[in-house]
Amino acid sequence: KQEVTQIPAALSVPEGENLVLNCSFTDSAIYNLQWFRQDPGKGLTSLLLIQSSQREQTSGRLNASLDKSSGRSTLYIAASQPGDSATYLCAVLTQGGSEKLVFGKGTKLTVNP
Amino acid sequence: EAGVAQSPRYKIIEKRQSVAFWCNPISGHATLYWYQQILGQGPKLLIQFQNNGVVDDSQLPKDRFSAERLKGVDSTLKIQPAKLEDSAVYLCASSRDRAETQYFGPGTRLLVL
Repeated sequence: KQEVTQIPAALSVPEGENLVLNCSFTDSAIYNLQWFRQDPGKGLTSLLLIQSSQREQTSGRLNASLDKSSGRSTLYIAASQPGDSATYLCAVLTQGGSEKLVFGKGTKLTVNP
Repeated sequence: EAGVAQSPRYKIIEKRQSVAFWCNPISGHATLYWYQQILGQGPKLLIQFQNNGVVDDSQLPKDRFSAERLKGVDSTLKIQPAKLEDSAVYLCASSRDRAETQYFGPGTRLLVL
């Protein structure tokens, strides 16, 4: 059974700091890994999707890496801003049978002005 | 392109009552998903449809939850009777096909008193 773990559960940083969020998963049989952002009371916004054959993806100040063999991914946020404050969720799309997204519990990020 | 629509956005009911949620996926998307997100947790897949057929409902509490996707477009999720532990956000997502990027709606926030 696939399990996804995110560390830390919460993170508070001053504005302008670079930061890393971590995600690990137990089964390497995945199609892709996705990072989402969730604002309070809102749905999920997809930030980056890394296919299982890829090593990283970049979008603006965000960079996500994937090491499938070790079951790890990181989300790097450069020059953090108060508007980055949200919960960040990592999810893997499992292979075999039904292709389902399995989520971690998320990291709640607060960027202080 | 319109996103995934859900209604209602909020619902408060008493335990043992019934409730229904509605989802309209992105036009042309064959796959539709319902997730349950309990406070402080990541979303958990309840049921996955491919057109109007069920692909995976292994985590759907079938004694009280039911879902249908008539004509392979809109979907409804019903809870009858509701329990206190059903308080959560119910998210609907859709994708063009299985194993493709999922797009999430804003969710329905349910509170069972």
